[in-house]
Amino acid sequence: SYELTQPLSVSVALGQTARITCGGNNIGSKNVHWYQQKPGQAPVLVIYRDSNRPSGIPERFSGSNSGNTATLTISRAQAGDEADYYCQVWDISTVVFGGGTKLTVL
Amino acid sequence: QLQLQESGPGLVKPSETLSLTCSVSGGSISSGSYYWGWIRQPPGKGLEWIGTISYSGSTSYNPSLKSRVTISVDTSKSQFSLRLSPVTAADTAVYYCARLGTLEDNWFDPWGQGTLVTVSS
Repeated sequence: SYELTQPLSVSVALGQTARITCGGNNIGSKNVHWYQQKPGQAPVLVIYRDSNRPSGIPERFSGSNSGNTATLTISRAQAGDEADYYCQVWDISTVVFGGGTKLTVL
Repeated sequence: QLQLQESGPGLVKPSETLSLTCSVSGGSISSGSYYWGWIRQPPGKGLEWIGTISYSGSTSYNPSLKSRVTISVDTSKSQFSLRLSPVTAADTAVYYCARLGTLEDNWFDPWGQGTLVTVSS
């Protein structure tokens, strides 16, 4: 079965750029989606199809996908960006989530 | 604006059946452009996909849960449901329902608020 690998945690200084990776075999050939989940809340879609932002998501959130790694980039990180982030793909009629990354804003 | 709401018992005994319903409002559950899915999250852990269903009843399940899961849809009530049996303590989790796009639009949006189900005697 297909697997997605994310770092357990990423830290970023306030106002700096955070990058969260999602690794998978030839993930560049798949559509990758990203979710933000704050404590006690349901996940929220922040990036779809590798690099597209849903309405209402700040331009500070961007995504890329190539080779074996997809990346979620959060520019000018704010305290409100502190959350868990999950990547997700569709693989042979199944949904696969990454293990999640806890973003800490210092 | 499309909204999803989970409902069902918050406590289930081991070896029994977990049953949850997701009510869809603000849009049609019968759109061929979407599937409807269940996802769960054990306390302190990550997201786990359970399965999805189309309005016509076509299903896809997580292979690790397939033998215990049934997802069904009732378009007349704008609802879809999850049954998981038999359950153990490992099935304790927050259960979310969500809409899933089809083809290349295969992301979940929106999500319900989630409902905590505890498996305990």
